[in-house]
Amino acid sequence: EVQLLQSGAEVKKPGESLKMSCRGSEYIFTAYWIAWVRQIPGKGLEWMGIIYAGDSDARYSPSFQGQVTFSVDKSINTAYLQWSSLKASDTAIYYCARLSADLSLLDYWGQGTLVTVSS
Amino acid sequence: SSELTQDPAVSVALGQTVRITCQGDSLRNFFASWFQQKPGQAPILVIYGDNNRPSGIPDRFSGSSSGNTSSLTITGAQAEDEADYYCNSRDNSGFHLRIFGGGTKLTVL
Repeated sequence: EVQLLQSGAEVKKPGESLKMSCRGSEYIFTAYWIAWVRQIPGKGLEWMGIIYAGDSDARYSPSFQGQVTFSVDKSINTAYLQWSSLKASDTAIYYCARLSADLSLLDYWGQGTLVTVSS
Repeated sequence: SSELTQDPAVSVALGQTVRITCQGDSLRNFFASWFQQKPGQAPILVIYGDNNRPSGIPDRFSGSSSGNTSSLTITGAQAEDEADYYCNSRDNSGFHLRIFGGGTKLTVL
């Protein structure tokens, strides 16, 4: 069965950097786009953008452009979401999800990674 | 960019039918998909495309669309259906842009 396994919860201070991971298994990782979705505690889902695992073509939602960076390591079937300088407002759960082959929907999700940014 | 509008909260009596709606301009061009999210869990896909259910989703879940509105219907709601429901579709601006509705909290009474 297709699985997306995300890295564990993080506690960081403002200004610190962070790189979280999302490892795909039981499918051809390089044939799909991976999406990133943010959920601030108690709030709804927000679309951050997508990255194609085959060639690292990344597309960002305007709200997140310049704030985060997507990347992929094809050799280990893993996508990454990273920040160079965290802010308290980055506190949220971050999900990765696979975009279906026909690009129409998010068909599989990771379990989410909670990031807490606090001084 | 477009927006998708959902009622913040809906309630249904156990065993009754409930419809959760999602409105937005992008729905005139693209199907919505629907996600169920229970507290502390990741969202799961319950309906996509023209009323399709992923494997394992009970057939009491169904979807429909008309004009700028997509609907998720639960026929014979069960206690375990109490959750937040989000619609999602492509944005008219490009395939890489998607939008989520604000979510509907479903309470089963």
